[in-house]
Amino acid sequence: DQQVKQNSPSLSVQEGRISILNCDYTNSMFDYFLWYKKYPAEGPTFLISISSIKDKNEDGRFTVFLNKSAKHLSLHIVPSQPGDSAVYFCAASVYSGNTGKLIFGQGTTLQVKP
Amino acid sequence: EAGVTQFPSHSVIEKGQTVTLRCDPISGHDNLYWYRRVMGKEIKFLLHFVKESKQDESGMPNNRFLAERTGGTYSTLKVQPAELEDSGVYFCASSHWTGAYEQYFGPGTRLTVT
Repeated sequence: DQQVKQNSPSLSVQEGRISILNCDYTNSMFDYFLWYKKYPAEGPTFLISISSIKDKNEDGRFTVFLNKSAKHLSLHIVPSQPGDSAVYFCAASVYSGNTGKLIFGQGTTLQVKP
Repeated sequence: EAGVTQFPSHSVIEKGQTVTLRCDPISGHDNLYWYRRVMGKEIKFLLHFVKESKQDESGMPNNRFLAERTGGTYSTLKVQPAELEDSGVYFCASSHWTGAYEQYFGPGTRLTVT
């Protein structure tokens, strides 16, 4: 049972425009969410996170939005740059749990065209 | 500060053989996680160590997989005997705090079972 879903396998945007990556989850116990970026032959790199007590978190060009009622989060990248081309993973966890295991989505491949 | 390192980067073995993967976490990180990504799908949690103790091994697929973390430093993941479906990329991650915090991933070990 897939608890975290990224329904768009790929996304292509023009340099300078906004990239919006989406993620849905089913487990209402999740209260901490993270986005990771992955380049080929490398491990995932942490980008940004958000706790369920917030609905928005911003870090430079990256903003994550959380809609708890819809069990949906999104990552906005503005402006998009060619170096942002990578696979983006959404992950969820239970903040108060005694394990920090992350539940990942399948990933969305972002291509930013110059 | 050195990141998470994994060895080997790639391993090709025949079905029925044994393989041991190694992970060295970031120095001082008590929490060590193993994940696996199969066939370009989602990254799946395998288990979590806090120091040398197994905190959560709910993701281990079967008893052919054995993880150890002697002395609370590096960890090994042994697959014995390997099956075709064990092929994939095995990631190790570490974090300082226990719980839902960002985890730092290694580059992964690509395991191919033929």
